[in-house]
Amino acid sequence: DGGITQSPKYLFRKEGQNVTLSCEQNLNHDAMYWYRQDPGQGLRLIYYSQIVNDFQKGDIAEGYSVSREKKESFPLTVTSAQKNPTAFYLCASSMASNYGYTFGSGTRLTVV
Amino acid sequence: AQKVTQAQTEISVVEKEDVTLDCVYETRDTTYYLFWYKQPPSGELVFLIRRNSFDEQNEISGRYSWNFQKSTSSFNFTITASQVVDSAVYFCALSGLTSGGYQKVTFGIGTKLQVIP
Repeated sequence: DGGITQSPKYLFRKEGQNVTLSCEQNLNHDAMYWYRQDPGQGLRLIYYSQIVNDFQKGDIAEGYSVSREKKESFPLTVTSAQKNPTAFYLCASSMASNYGYTFGSGTRLTVV
Repeated sequence: AQKVTQAQTEISVVEKEDVTLDCVYETRDTTYYLFWYKQPPSGELVFLIRRNSFDEQNEISGRYSWNFQKSTSSFNFTITASQVVDSAVYFCALSGLTSGGYQKVTFGIGTKLQVIP
């Protein structure tokens, strides 16, 4: 079945460490997105990519980095520069943003 | 800048009651798209509907219906005869052009619906 796979489901990070969240899709979608979800704040866009080898910053890109070397993959690195990384991270893909998104099941990151 | 407002943060209803989730949006675009998503406790958002700005016809899908009114910039979602399985967080979203020419989707903060048996 086609879909988006995010891993791991739960991730614990020590302060000062970088961590990478995985996002893989087999839907043949061109566009991929990373959102952060915090209680009471809805979803906020971190980065998005319309095509391979190209990506743009979203509303809250500081402290994050991404790559898009393959159409299927859009990993997100949470760097030590991100001061408040504890959140629920959602990856999504779409044929284009005017179409509905398909979301992954999310990664819950906690700083310990 | 575009904005989506979901004024109801939490709603509780008794099973079989009807419930309407409100969504008000702001945009300067003449062409835009509106969406509703459902996020059950498992966490994954599920796409429910997409509506473009030129199509103001209401839509019904089973117990779900959507009322798009451009005059009031609203895209409300009604669940008829609610069921416990409808308990979830519901997000309204708006897609429009950024200054760089890319489409951007803005989400509301979500409405948490609890259906009590």
